[in-house]
Amino acid sequence: GENVEQHPSTLSVQEGDSAVIKCTYSDSASNYFPWYKQELGKRPQLIIDIRSNVGEKKDQRIAVTLNKTAKHFSLHITETQPEDSAVYFCADPFNKFYFGSGTKLNVKP
Amino acid sequence: NAGVTQTPKFQVLKTGQSMTLQCAQDMNHEYMSWYRQDPGMGLRLIHYSVGAGITDQGEVPNGYNVSRSTTEDFPLRLLSAAPSQTSVYFCASSYRAGEETQYFGPGTRLLVL
Repeated sequence: GENVEQHPSTLSVQEGDSAVIKCTYSDSASNYFPWYKQELGKRPQLIIDIRSNVGEKKDQRIAVTLNKTAKHFSLHITETQPEDSAVYFCADPFNKFYFGSGTKLNVKP
Repeated sequence: NAGVTQTPKFQVLKTGQSMTLQCAQDMNHEYMSWYRQDPGMGLRLIHYSVGAGITDQGEVPNGYNVSRSTTEDFPLRLLSAAPSQTSVYFCASSYRAGEETQYFGPGTRLLVL
């Protein structure tokens, strides 16, 4: 989308390694930052989100960190498993609900 | 709750035909939106609505119309289908705009010949 840039576009890791995906947004007023996972042939689903009043949020093997000064937020997946293979999207819902271009994560067993 | 539902699941059109993709939600969500996803690509916002009677354009609105006469329904109309509109269309909704999770429908696969 117009307001959010996502990197990398593809990421290949060995099972058990960590994966990090980064998104940069443009509007300093943005205050809610979600991450979605889309498995092949399925709809996107929220996996974790963070609001601007905290810097980090964890849910088991996944975490999201937020740097409001630099205007970026990142998805961290630790101890990756083959079932983590999917496309991951960030979004900046503040103005219009635009999504990043997506990151295709491949976890090799 | 059924969540967000979309019909049809799959549709084949000829160039120049028109059709309406249906979307409904039973969660009393104010915000609804339509995205298209081309093969191997991201989600591009077509149109969205912040409440009944209010709609606005997204990134790629040309060739599509929407209306929001009720809170529950948000149909997407293709006026004159073109092969470039071959895509998967997702409808999504959230309680409010801007700060809430969006829930997606299962998608409609559209092929324009």
